Amino acid sequence: DAGVIQSPRHEVTEMGQEVTLRCKPISGHDYLFWYRQTMMRGLELLIYFNNNVPIDDSGMPEDRFSAKMPNASFSTLKIQPSEPRDSAVYFCASSLSLAGGPSYNEQFFGPGTRLTVL
Amino acid sequence: EDQVTQSPEALRLQEGESSSLNCSYTVSGLRGLFWYRQDPGKGPEFLFTLYSAGEEKEKERLKATLTKKESFLHITAPKPEDSATYLCAVQARTGRRALTFGSGTRLQVQP
Repeated sequence: DAGVIQSPRHEVTEMGQEVTLRCKPISGHDYLFWYRQTMMRGLELLIYFNNNVPIDDSGMPEDRFSAKMPNASFSTLKIQPSEPRDSAVYFCASSLSLAGGPSYNEQFFGPGTRLTVL
Repeated sequence: EDQVTQSPEALRLQEGESSSLNCSYTVSGLRGLFWYRQDPGKGPEFLFTLYSAGEEKEKERLKATLTKKESFLHITAPKPEDSATYLCAVQARTGRRALTFGSGTRLQVQP
């Protein structure tokens, strides 16, 4: 299995530009999570989906951030317009719920996208 | 609000010098406590899930234990390749399905 795939791995952009981060979860997984990691705040959840439906977006910083999951194998996180304080590493993770058990299993993380907004 | 506090922030050990990392948590009903390892420039890698007080799990030189208020990650006779940041996270029984992470412990094992 290829694991969770994220692209691009690095993104450098200027303030005010639109940024789109992409994620392909592990095939068959029904949960997808977007996290952001910074030195100051650590790893924090932005939004997660279950069966392509957004369940909890309370971690999304503001309206400049949006996320979509048009199908089970693809998700995007968009920032428009971007600001320097958005600079961070963005991780996508996926997991598989256990049938008949707790709706959670360990999350598998992608390699992350390092975003720098100048 | 769920909270996770890890200590120490950083730990430097000599190869073979055993030690423990601490994870204290506050959660409205624990569904699971998770330990992850993160190497520089990479995503967190899953290590263990613990579900109830008294539970223990082992993997090579690592052993994780759980009480009602904290978890320990014991590292026995560490090797330089164990150097990484170790993250603890909790999931509540109700409400959000996502994980709340601690800030991590940066472990450095010197040969």
